[in-house]
This record gives sequence, C-alpha cells and structure tokens, in this order.
Amino acid sequence: KAGVTQTPRYLIKTRGQQVTLSCSPISGHRSVSWYQQTPGQGLQFLFEYFSETQRNKGNFPGRFSGRQFSNSRSEMNVSTLELGDSALYLCASSPSGDAGELFFGEGSRLTVL
Amino acid sequence: QKEVEQNSGPLSVPEGAIASLNCTYSDRGSQSFFWYRQYSGKSPELIMFIYSNGDKEDGRFTAQLNKASQYVSLLIRDSQPSDSATYLCAVNAAGGFKTIFGAGTRLFVKA
Repeated sequence: KAGVTQTPRYLIKTRGQQVTLSCSPISGHRSVSWYQQTPGQGLQFLFEYFSETQRNKGNFPGRFSGRQFSNSRSEMNVSTLELGDSALYLCASSPSGDAGELFFGEGSRLTVL
Repeated sequence: QKEVEQNSGPLSVPEGAIASLNCTYSDRGSQSFFWYRQYSGKSPELIMFIYSNGDKEDGRFTAQLNKASQYVSLLIRDSQPSDSATYLCAVNAAGGFKTIFGAGTRLFVKA
C-alpha cells in the first residue's frame, strides 16, 4: 500500500508570495491532518479534514488555509508568505475517525527568502 | 503550561540498557496516547499507542499510561544504536480530531 505522498518536496519562495502544498493520503484514509515543524516550536497542528470538512484548526493566522477533495486528497495554502513561515510542512493521514493514529508523509520543506 | 510536556534531553544510554522516556499532558479528558520516533531528516513514525491505564508491550517497547497522574512513558529495552532518534509523545485531544505533540526527547544510544 502506498504511503502518504506530499508534493512538492522542496520549494523556495520570497516574502509576499503564496504557496500551495499537496497531500495524497494512504488509500482508504479519510482523515488528513497538517502540521508545521520548526526547530524552535516542534510540531504544531494546523488543521484536520475529514470527508471534505475541516473539523479542527490550530492557532495559526488566516493566511493558512486548506481544503480536502472528495478523493480525500488535501491541499494547504499559505498566502502573503513571511520569513517565519519557513518550515517543514507535514501531512498525515489516519485510518481512525478521531485522527489519532497518524501516518506522515515525507513533508514539504518551504524556505521563504 | 504546555499541553504535552517532555524532557528535551538529550538522554544518553549505553547499548543494551533500558531507556525511559516520559511525558505529561494537561487535558484530563484525553483518551488516546501515542509515541512517535523521528530520525534526523525524516518524518515521524508511529511506534506505539495506548488507550487504557497500565502497560502495553510490543517487542522491546513498553508504553505505560497513568491517567490519574496524566503521565505517559515509553520504555525501550535492550537499547540499540539504531534507536537513537527523537521520540515524540502525542495526545489526541478530548473530542478528537486533533493530535498534540510534545517537543520530543532526543535519545542517544552509545555502542
């Protein structure tokens, strides 16, 4: 069974630009969660989607948004990029309805210059 | 107070010893608890989960949960150099749909 796939793996943007990251969950997993990982803050929860509905959201500004499609694939978008948005963005899918057990993709590493 | 707290370490143990990793959480309503291992430059990997008070064993790993004390631990027996990684404690928030991670404990196993 294929794992969680994230694209792109690496990207460089400049301040003020926007970025869209994509995540394809493990087949059959309907829950998708997004996390931001930085050395100083660790893994921070961004949001969780299930059946195209956002069920929970972390403490991030409105510049961070996401969505989920009917095939459970998910995207997240960050608008008006800031230097502090440089991080590893991890997507995880879960077979459980409460988004407990998480299976992570390899992440998208975003650098904002 | 952080929702999930771990000692950042590093924790250094000799090969063959028992490594003990600890975690406390603040949300008393939490029901599901997880341990993830993250090697440098890699994404987190689920190694254990526990839902009930007591111990749960899986090979060299034992997870322990004490809900009254809001405490979770992970024991690694016969530690190997390949166990050297950051171990992340995670708690599924009461009501679900959100898993909160601790900052992680770096473990070094010396050959």
